[in-house]
Amino acid sequence: QQQVKQSPQSLIVQKGGISIINCAYENTAFDYFPWYQQFPGKGPALLIAIRPDVSEKKEGRFTISFNKSAKQFSLHIMDSQPGDSATYFCAASRQGGSEKLVFGKGTKLTVNP
Amino acid sequence: NAGVTQTPKFRVLKTGQSMTLLCAQDMNHEYMYWYRQDPGMGLRLIHYSVGEGTTAKGEVPDGYNVSRLKKQNFLLGLESAAPSQTSVYFCASRTSGRNEQFFGPGTRLTVL
Repeated sequence: QQQVKQSPQSLIVQKGGISIINCAYENTAFDYFPWYQQFPGKGPALLIAIRPDVSEKKEGRFTISFNKSAKQFSLHIMDSQPGDSATYFCAASRQGGSEKLVFGKGTKLTVNP
Repeated sequence: NAGVTQTPKFRVLKTGQSMTLLCAQDMNHEYMYWYRQDPGMGLRLIHYSVGEGTTAKGEVPDGYNVSRLKKQNFLLGLESAAPSQTSVYFCASRTSGRNEQFFGPGTRLTVL
């Protein structure tokens, strides 16, 4: 049972373009939705996160859009740069106890110069 | 402040051999996690710990054991390695009250 579904599997964008990665979840008890960025040979690192009490969160060129009724959230990267080329993972967890993260399968983003 | 470190970085085992992966964190975090990452599968939780002396099973615990004897260390053991355990293993930690998990650099394990 895949609790967090992520698409697309891979994405190629030109420099300056907008990258969009989508995730859908099933468990309505989830209340924390982070995005992690992973460069080759490195561990994932938190990029941006959102809670369901807001519909959008923006940090620099990165924005999370959240649709609670549709149980979907997405990452938008504005003005994509070659340095953004990495694998991006969405995840979800719920408060209380261990807050275990459930990850999507990842999206490999390539930004061409 | 080294953050989360993992030892070793690479390892090749033969089927049936045993080994222990070490995760250490110097941030005084209560929670620690072991994940495996396989192509196209994302990160899957193997075992986790909510504090010193405690461990619990994650999504894919079979074939692995863990121990958390000291707060700063979380050990992942493979008693009898199988080719299906070929993967990249990541350790992560976080403090209580905050959701952000900090990941180590990973251990690439190959079982022949």
